[in-house]
This record gives sequence, structure tokens and C-alpha cells, in this order.
Amino acid sequence: DQQVKQNSPSLSVQEGRISILNCDYTNSMFDYFLWYKKYPAEGPTFLISISSIKDKNEDGRFTVFLNKSAKHLSLHIVPSQPGDSAVYFCAASEETSYDKVIFGPGTSLSVIP
Amino acid sequence: DVKVTQSSRYLVKRTGEKVFLECVQDMDHENMFWYRQDPGLGLRLIYFSYDVKMKEKGDIPEGYSVSREKKERFSLILESASTNQTSMYLCASRGGGSSGANVLTFGAGSRLTVL
Repeated sequence: DQQVKQNSPSLSVQEGRISILNCDYTNSMFDYFLWYKKYPAEGPTFLISISSIKDKNEDGRFTVFLNKSAKHLSLHIVPSQPGDSAVYFCAASEETSYDKVIFGPGTSLSVIP
Repeated sequence: DVKVTQSSRYLVKRTGEKVFLECVQDMDHENMFWYRQDPGLGLRLIYFSYDVKMKEKGDIPEGYSVSREKKERFSLILESASTNQTSMYLCASRGGGSSGANVLTFGAGSRLTVL
């Protein structure tokens, strides 16, 4: 049973528009969340994170929103650029437990020029 | 920048062969991890290590073992490769401390095909 779910395997967005990638989790003990981006034939790279004490974290064009009551987070990319085309993984962990970081199945984003 | 290097990018092995996947990090990180990535399943944790000679099972350790003789090197071993171990294998490392403590830095991956 997946503890971190990304229900959209793929997403296509026009360049310049907003991309919204969604993630749901089931384990209420998770209190730290991360997004990673992965290009083909490369390892995932860290994009942005959020702790459960916040409901929003922003870094340039990337914003992550956390809704703890719904066990839901989302990544917003504004404006979307063709170079953002990649697979995005949502990940979650317990901040006090530095062992396991659980990843979702990923969403493949295509930004169309 | 932290660098995590996986020595083999592509490997093709036969069923029953012993396979070694090597990973080296250059930032003196305490923690190292092996994941495998499969379509629709995301990244699943195989093994991880807190320190030299220490290892802990992840979510899918069956059919794998690991070795950490030096702090910078973490090896994944497939004792007898099987076709269901065909996958992308990703090594990662993570430093200690509270700031960004859960941020993993990944290598480029090793694509293993078992025939």
C-alpha cells in the first residue's frame, strides 16, 4: 500500500501557464515533504521542501502548498518553461526519523512551447 | 557541490550472476542509500547505512545485500541476479544536522538489465 501517492502519471501544460502537481499521503506521522525533479538518464535532484509547521514555501517559480488536514500537498510552477519537462517525485518523511524517505510514483510533466 | 558517483551507468548481466554496484560520495556524508526506480512504483528503498559497517534494511531488501567498508563508499550486491531485478538503481547520500537533513543527493543511476 503506497504511503505517498501521485495520482496523475502525466501532465501537459502550455509554456507560460501554471503547472500544478499533486501529492497525497496516508501516514499522519509524516512531517517533512520534498519534491525532486528527474530528467531521463540522470538522478533525481532536490527541488523544494516544506515542513509541517508551514503551509507554504516558495522558491522562485516553485511553490509548495501543504494541507495537513487533507494530507495533501501540491507543487505549483509559474510560469512553466520547456526546461521544466521532467518527472517530478513527491517524497515524505518523519523529520525526527532520518532513515526513510518515502517516494511517490512520480508525475511526468511536459511543457509545450 | 555534493557529488555522488555511480561507477556503472549501464550493465547487462545473466540470470544467476553476482552483480556489484558501486557508489562513492565526496562530501563526508554519514548516511547513504540504495533505491530502485521502476515505472509506476517510484523510488523504493532497498538498504541504507548510517555509518561504516552499519546497514539497515529498507522496504525491499530481498535478493540484495550491501557493504560499507569506508565512509565514502556504499556497494549494492545482487548475490544471484534475477530478471525481476532489471531496474534503475539509484544511490544517494545525506549529511547529518538539522538543516536540510532529509535532503538526499542522488547519483546518476545504474541501469541494470538481467537476461
